[in-house]
Amino acid sequence: EPEVTQTPSHQVTQMGQEVILRCVPISNHLYFYWYRQILGQKVEFLVSFYNNEISEKSEIFDDQFSVERPDGSNFTLKIRSTKLEDSAMYFCASSEHSRADQPQHFGDGTRLSIL
Amino acid sequence: AQSVTQLGSHVSVSEGALVLLRCNYSSSVPPYLFWYVQYPNQGLQLLLKYTSAATLVKGINGFEAEFKKSETSFHLTKPSAHMSDAAEYFCAVRRNTGNQFYFGTGTSLTVIP
Repeated sequence: EPEVTQTPSHQVTQMGQEVILRCVPISNHLYFYWYRQILGQKVEFLVSFYNNEISEKSEIFDDQFSVERPDGSNFTLKIRSTKLEDSAMYFCASSEHSRADQPQHFGDGTRLSIL
Repeated sequence: AQSVTQLGSHVSVSEGALVLLRCNYSSSVPPYLFWYVQYPNQGLQLLLKYTSAATLVKGINGFEAEFKKSETSFHLTKPSAHMSDAAEYFCAVRRNTGNQFYFGTGTSLTVIP
């Protein structure tokens, strides 16, 4: 069964450094998403992306964050200048449609640790 | 705003016993509801979804959930727990418009042999 893959599984970065989290969505999916889960808290929506544009973003997704689909397969989340509070598990997801009854398929996540 | 509340951050059951994980939603209109499971060191896997076709929804691994509008609930059940069911379970709601899921805080299920 096709799946969403994320790399790396664990990223350790110094505060203030830039970090790029990578995702390969399911190949025939057109809608892509990033979520994060701070330890002990709920999974929170960051951003959705379609047709090379951000279609929706949350208040968390400020100017420090950006997303990109640099080629036909990868979907990346960049944090420009990391802060301690960016430490979290980041999940990428994709879906074939944007209809509300369609599930999103999630990757295994990247655990980001900011020192 | 749409949200879900999961009562009980930790639930322990004996192997073979009934599993009941609670989820209540807040919504002015019937939403789309989902249950996801997260096994250790893995991502979120869809268990089942409610999309108004039927109030009792069957999912994978013997799980099912019943949508009760009068109680604004979508509790997840399984008649007989298996050791492999030990995981974190998340209830999620999605609006009729927009892209994002709203997740509950999760319930960690422990199965005791």
